[in-house]
Amino acid sequence: EAQVTQNPRYLITVTGKKLTVTCSQNMNHEYMSWYRQDPGLGLRQIYYSMNVEVTDKGDVPEGYKVSRKEKRNFPLILESPSPNQTSLYFCASSSQDRGNSPLHFGNGTRLTVT
Amino acid sequence: SQKIEQNSEALNIQEGKTATLTCNYTNYSPAYLQWYRQDPGRGPVFLLLIRENEKEKRKERLKVTFDTTLKQSLFHITASQPADSATYLCALKGSSNTGKLIFGQGTTLQVKP
Repeated sequence: EAQVTQNPRYLITVTGKKLTVTCSQNMNHEYMSWYRQDPGLGLRQIYYSMNVEVTDKGDVPEGYKVSRKEKRNFPLILESPSPNQTSLYFCASSSQDRGNSPLHFGNGTRLTVT
Repeated sequence: SQKIEQNSEALNIQEGKTATLTCNYTNYSPAYLQWYRQDPGRGPVFLLLIRENEKEKRKERLKVTFDTTLKQSLFHITASQPADSATYLCALKGSSNTGKLIFGQGTTLQVKP
């Protein structure tokens, strides 16, 4: 089954403790992206990747890192999480970075930073 | 600045009626417009895409229109069912805006039996 898999689904952590949210897709997609979704603010792009070893900042990249060493994986790293990073995070992929390619989303990771 | 507006108020309709959701945008010239459905706590799911040179697109009970003069897209669900209850997001991408699909905040639809 074609899918984007995120782990974990739920994560509670404390300020400053480094964490990684994994994302993997099995559709051989070139384009991958991370979003965060907050009430009243909608989906905001954190980072995206056009292909292996190519990443770029989205609208809200501060406090996050990503890497794209393999085509299928695009982990999101929070080196020193803070409470304002409490949010619902989504990874997404598409076959190419064009408006006519729909995004396939994972089921989300709900992160709470205390 | 670029802005996408979807009605933040929930839309409540009776089963069997047609639901119409609106997506307005300003300071933007999208080449493509996409609609997604999102259920609570889940990732958005792609529904339909319409290009700037297309006026209308249909898929089963869904219909999308795209008016670049009015800077507006309408999303219709005919013969609505309670299972259609969800939040619907529109998303726009310009032909030259590589890497960014800009999402609206979504409109929640509630279909009552």
